[in-house]
Amino acid sequence: EVQLVESGGDLVQPGRSLRLSCAASGFNFDDYAMHWVRQAPGKGLEWVSGINWNSGSYGYADSVKGRFTISRDNAKNSLYLQMNSLIAEDTAVYYCAKALGGAVATILYDTFNIWGQGTMVTVSS
Amino acid sequence: DIQMTQSPSALSASVGDRVTITCRASQTISSWLAWYQQKPGKAPKLLIYKASSLESGVPSRFSGSGSGTEFTLTISSLQPDDFATYYCQQYSGFWTFGQGTKVEIK
Repeated sequence: EVQLVESGGDLVQPGRSLRLSCAASGFNFDDYAMHWVRQAPGKGLEWVSGINWNSGSYGYADSVKGRFTISRDNAKNSLYLQMNSLIAEDTAVYYCAKALGGAVATILYDTFNIWGQGTMVTVSS
Repeated sequence: DIQMTQSPSALSASVGDRVTITCRASQTISSWLAWYQQKPGKAPKLLIYKASSLESGVPSRFSGSGSGTEFTLTISSLQPDDFATYYCQQYSGFWTFGQGTKVEIK
């Protein structure tokens, strides 16, 4: 069964850091780009960051650029999101998502066909 | 950023109804459009990609059409399991989503 399981969500104070993880199983992890998408309570979906299969191409939403870092470890079938300088507006459920297409140089022109269950990040003093 | 605008924001419908949701892009995105279904407390589920391609396992009552800047999601005969929120997503550039359309029971 294809599965993504996020972990690492927590209640943190503004300005602090947090690292999210996403464990993948049931597919060849190193064949696919991976992404993080978030959803603030009661709000819509916002793409956060994406990384291609070999970490050679990646991108960030303007709202997190310079504060968040995406990475992956293909040997461990895992995706990560390092979140620094957290602010209240980062409060959301964070989902990891698998790209629909296979290994390509760019992360663009592809959507997401498998999502994890999400992990909650709350930024509050 | 490419802005995505869905209409309506919410609708009430009955089982068996034909339902259409519209999504408009702020600039042309060719056919780089997906539709998702999300139920409360759950992750989004991919329904349609490339504007009109049905994702594997998705019932054929769901269909998508359009290109350029105007797109539609149609549910041909609404079923009890279809009451949810639907989002369009463009992937011509960095990904952006519509604000969602909540489909409620009349």
